[in-house]
Amino acid sequence: AQSVTQLGSHVSVSEGALVLLRCNYSSSVPPYLFWYVQYPNQGLQLLLKYTTGATLVKGINGFEAEFKKSETSFHLTKPSAHMSDAAEYFCAVSERYGNKLVFGAGTILRVKS
Amino acid sequence: DAGVIQSPRHEVTEMGQEVTLRCKPISGHDYLFWYRQTMMRGLELLIYFNNNVPIDDSGMPEDRFSAKMPNASFSTLKIQPSEPRDSAVYFCASSTGAGRNTEAFFGQGTRLTVV
Repeated sequence: AQSVTQLGSHVSVSEGALVLLRCNYSSSVPPYLFWYVQYPNQGLQLLLKYTTGATLVKGINGFEAEFKKSETSFHLTKPSAHMSDAAEYFCAVSERYGNKLVFGAGTILRVKS
Repeated sequence: DAGVIQSPRHEVTEMGQEVTLRCKPISGHDYLFWYRQTMMRGLELLIYFNNNVPIDDSGMPEDRFSAKMPNASFSTLKIQPSEPRDSAVYFCASSTGAGRNTEAFFGQGTRLTVV
């Protein structure tokens, strides 16, 4: 079975600082990986996804993530945090058959002014 | 497209009552998923459908939970009888295609409170 571990349930950064949210996965087959963002009282919105090809993936709102097979990681970064980035972020891996997504526990990002 | 539409957005009910949550997927999507989100357990997949047929219901917690998809544009998740521990946010999501790399689009969720 596939699984996702997000290190740090809460991350706090200052506005303008680097954002780094960590995600490690476990999969017996090549994974497809996703980052979703959830704003308060909203559904989940896709930030970016890795399927095949280039290991550095760019998403919306200036976020990007790098797939590192040797480290089984898919960390999310943004060079400069904005107040509007405050939200909960979920890393997910898709299972082998169908479109079933397995989610990590989520990381709440707080941005300080 | 209006996206995935869930109703109601909020539901408060008394223990023992029947609760029905509704979902309209994005037109043309052939996969539909029901997730539950709680503080303790995070996001859990309850059940998913492909072309209106349930494919995997292993995440449905108990027989009190049931889900149907009578047609491509409508699905329900029913809890009967409801219990306080069922309180959670329930999300419906839909996606298209059989490939693993298609993204799931989520509705805004139904916040269920069982008192």
